[in-house]
Amino acid sequence: EVQLVESGGGLVQPGGSLRLSCAASGFTFSDHYMDWVRQAPGKGLELIGRITNKAYSYTTHYAASVKGRFTVSRDDSKSSLFLQMNSLKSEDTAVYYCADVGRGYWGQGTLVMVSS
Amino acid sequence: DVVMTQSPLSLPVTLGQPASISCRSSQSLVFSDGNTYLTWFQQRPGQSPRRLIYEVSNRDSGVPDRFSGSGSGTDFTLKISRVEAEDVGIYYCMQGTHWPNTFGQGTKLEIK
Repeated sequence: EVQLVESGGGLVQPGGSLRLSCAASGFTFSDHYMDWVRQAPGKGLELIGRITNKAYSYTTHYAASVKGRFTVSRDDSKSSLFLQMNSLKSEDTAVYYCADVGRGYWGQGTLVMVSS
Repeated sequence: DVVMTQSPLSLPVTLGQPASISCRSSQSLVFSDGNTYLTWFQQRPGQSPRRLIYEVSNRDSGVPDRFSGSGSGTDFTLKISRVEAEDVGIYYCMQGTHWPNTFGQGTKLEIK
């Protein structure tokens, strides 16, 4: 059974940083592109970052809303995905999902609140 | 970015009746490999999104056959042949052809 379990969410002040983690199991993690998708309270879905697999040089792609502030990385030896979030703004408040959108795998999400 | 426009945004449906959601893209979703990467997700209250349909019309394992997807190019539809109580939630279309992949605004299905 595929499982994606996010951790690391919480309350952070504007301008602060936070690092989210995602532990994957039940599939060959290293073969897959992986995504971070967020959902602001009561709002829709936004795919904010993607990292390819080793075959495609671990290339990263970002939405304009987070480019230059957020960094996606992975550790295939630990089947883990990460999201480093810097210079956080109030509009970054959302549930953050670890996902392989292309194959329909989603985690349960972790809530990030940016507030003073 | 490719804009995905869903209609209606609110869909009250009587149990046992059909339902239909439209999704239109601002650009063609046909990829260079010939495939069309249009996906439908269901998000039940308090849950993560669940993929229902991929590549326009392919139903995921475990998805009831009352769900079907169709369309081509820029115009797509999700149909539910007979709505059941467990279908309540928000439905999103998403294009995976162009980066960034983008979602529609969501259609909230409720029981009338």
